[in-house]
Amino acid sequence: DGGITQSPKYLFRKEGQNVTLSCEQNLNHDAMYWYRQDPGQGLRLIYYSQIVNDFQKGDIAEGYSVSREKKESFPLTVTSAQKNPTAFYLCASSSPGRFRGEQYFGPGTRLTVT
Amino acid sequence: AQSVTQLDSQVPVFEEAPVELRCNYSSSVSVYLFWYVQYPNQGLQLLLKYLSGSTLVKGINGFEAEFNKSQTSFHLRKPSVHISDTAEYFCAVSQAAGNKLTFGGGTRVLVKP
Repeated sequence: DGGITQSPKYLFRKEGQNVTLSCEQNLNHDAMYWYRQDPGQGLRLIYYSQIVNDFQKGDIAEGYSVSREKKESFPLTVTSAQKNPTAFYLCASSSPGRFRGEQYFGPGTRLTVT
Repeated sequence: AQSVTQLDSQVPVFEEAPVELRCNYSSSVSVYLFWYVQYPNQGLQLLLKYLSGSTLVKGINGFEAEFNKSQTSFHLRKPSVHISDTAEYFCAVSQAAGNKLTFGGGTRVLVKP
C-alpha cells in the first residue's frame, strides 16, 4: 500500500539535544512538507520541498532544519535553538500535477522535550 | 497573503442531529478550498475540496460544503452526524497558482449519544 510513514510515533528528548524526525513516502510525490500542530493553532508550515535537493522555509522555520537527498525521504531536525519544541509534527506530500492543495498526511510524531 | 478563520473552536452536537462548521477566508487572488478531518492522534484526511465549477461540493462520509465567493466562506455541513464523526476538522486554502496550504485553527466536534 502506498502512503507516508513517520517514525517514531512518540519521541522524548532532553532540552538542549537535537532530534531528527523521519518521514518517508512511497507515493512517488515530488513535493513534501513539515507542519507543526499545537492545540488551538491549527497547522503551521515549517519547511517544504518541491524537488530533490531543494527546500524552502515555511512560516516557522527558526530552530528547524531539513534535507531532501532522496525523493522518498524528508527528515526534519529539531535543533536546540527551537525555543518550544514540544508539539505534534506532521509530514505531508503531494503530486505537483494534481497538487491544487491535495496533500497526503502521515500519522504524525509527538515530540516531548523536558 | 491569505488567512483562514474557523469561527467555532468546539461544537458539541447530539447523534443524528445536523452540524455546520463555519470557515471564512481572506485572499487577494483566486483560491482553492479544502476541508480535512483529523481523528485523535492521527494525521489529516481530505474530506472534500473546491477547485472550480459548482459551488456545492460533496465529500466523503456524507459531508458537503458550499463555496460563497461574495461572503468568502466555505462552510461544512452534515445533515445527520454519527458518534464516529467525533474529530477535529480543519479548513484550508491555497492560492490557485501557489503550492502551499494555509490552515484554520480547527473545530473540534464532539458527538454525544
